[in-house]
Amino acid sequence: EAGVVQSPRYKIIEKKQPVAFWCNPISGHNTLYWYLQNLGQGPELLIRYENEEAVDDSQLPKDRFSAERLKGVDSTLKIQPAELGDSAVYLCASSLDPGGGPGEQFFGPGTRLTVL
Amino acid sequence: AQSVTQLDSQVPVFEEAPVELRCNYSSSVSVYLFWYVQYPNQGLQLLLKYLSGSTLVKGINGFEAEFNKSQTSFHLRKPSVHISDTAEYFCAVSDRGKTSYDKVIFGPGTSLSVIP
Repeated sequence: EAGVVQSPRYKIIEKKQPVAFWCNPISGHNTLYWYLQNLGQGPELLIRYENEEAVDDSQLPKDRFSAERLKGVDSTLKIQPAELGDSAVYLCASSLDPGGGPGEQFFGPGTRLTVL
Repeated sequence: AQSVTQLDSQVPVFEEAPVELRCNYSSSVSVYLFWYVQYPNQGLQLLLKYLSGSTLVKGINGFEAEFNKSQTSFHLRKPSVHISDTAEYFCAVSDRGKTSYDKVIFGPGTSLSVIP
């Protein structure tokens, strides 16, 4: 079974440029997460989707970040324009929530973004 | 709001020695608890979880954790570590909701280094 796929693995851009990250979750997983992970810290949730619906986007900086999950499968996270402080690893995870609690999250390898 | 504390940012331990990684969370409401491990340049993977039932939870690779509601703790233990256990370990918590659950909050992580 293929795991969570993310691309690109690494991205270097100059500030004020746009950037996009792509995530393909494990087949059949209804819940998809985007996290931001700074060096030496734990993942911080940006947005959570249940199927196509964004059920928690309270931590997403909506002035520059946007996300979509068309057809409830793969997802794209975009930053426009990027700032120096956006340099971090962006993680995607998916889970099959059985109800009664959060399911096991399966994480992709992440995209390491460097903004110069 | 829920928060997670991992008091030890780095834990060095000799091979075959026991180890305990400490985790405390802030809220005493009903919670779901998790430990994830992150090996270098890889995504996080679930070690174990507590959703309900027995407070002693066994996970993969010989790890176990004990839920202590009165002390709001969920410490991770292994009786004998191996070189391959060298990794970053994240404790995570999610508040129970009436029909669903709140977002999963990750701690800052503990870096376990196993010394040969």
